[in-house]
Amino acid sequence: KAGVTQTPRYLIKTRGQQVTLSCSPISGHRSVSWYQQTPGQGLQFLFEYFSETQRNKGNFPGRFSGRQFSNSRSEMNVSTLELGDSALYLCASSFPGPEQFFGPGTRLTVL
Amino acid sequence: KQEVTQIPAALSVPEGENLVLNCSFTDSAIYNLQWFRQDPGKGLTSLLLIQSSQREQTSGRLNASLDKSSGRSTLYIAASQPGDSATYLCAVENNNDMRFGAGTRLTVKP
Repeated sequence: KAGVTQTPRYLIKTRGQQVTLSCSPISGHRSVSWYQQTPGQGLQFLFEYFSETQRNKGNFPGRFSGRQFSNSRSEMNVSTLELGDSALYLCASSFPGPEQFFGPGTRLTVL
Repeated sequence: KQEVTQIPAALSVPEGENLVLNCSFTDSAIYNLQWFRQDPGKGLTSLLLIQSSQREQTSGRLNASLDKSSGRSTLYIAASQPGDSATYLCAVENNNDMRFGAGTRLTVKP
């Protein structure tokens, strides 16, 4: 069974631009969660989608948004990029079952 | 608000040693606790998940325990190998919210 895939793996953007990241969960998994990882803040929860609905949301500004499609694939969007948005963005899939399986991440650099 | 702490932040041991990594959390009303390893610049690999009703889980050389009442979990690694070198993170889930510790960076020297 294929694991969680994330595209692109690396991305360089400039301040003010917007970016869309994609996550394909493990086949059969219906929940997708997104996380931001930075050296200073560690891993922080962004949001979780289940059956195309946002089920939970972390403490991030409205510039961070996401969606989930009927095939459980998910995208997250960050608008008006700031330097502090440079991070490794990880997605994880789960359900049924509580165990979360992570993708390799997308490394976003904002210049 | 759930807070997760991992001690120590870094650990260096010679190959072959047995070691223990610690994780503590402030809210004992958890659904589960999961241990991950992360290699530099990579995603997380799930190692063990302990449901709230369980006390421990084992996989190969790894054993994780959970004591909800004291808000603690330990990850025991037996006969450590250089390939075990990585950052180990624990994560606690409650109310569909998963909180991570800052991790323990483990180095196993040949």
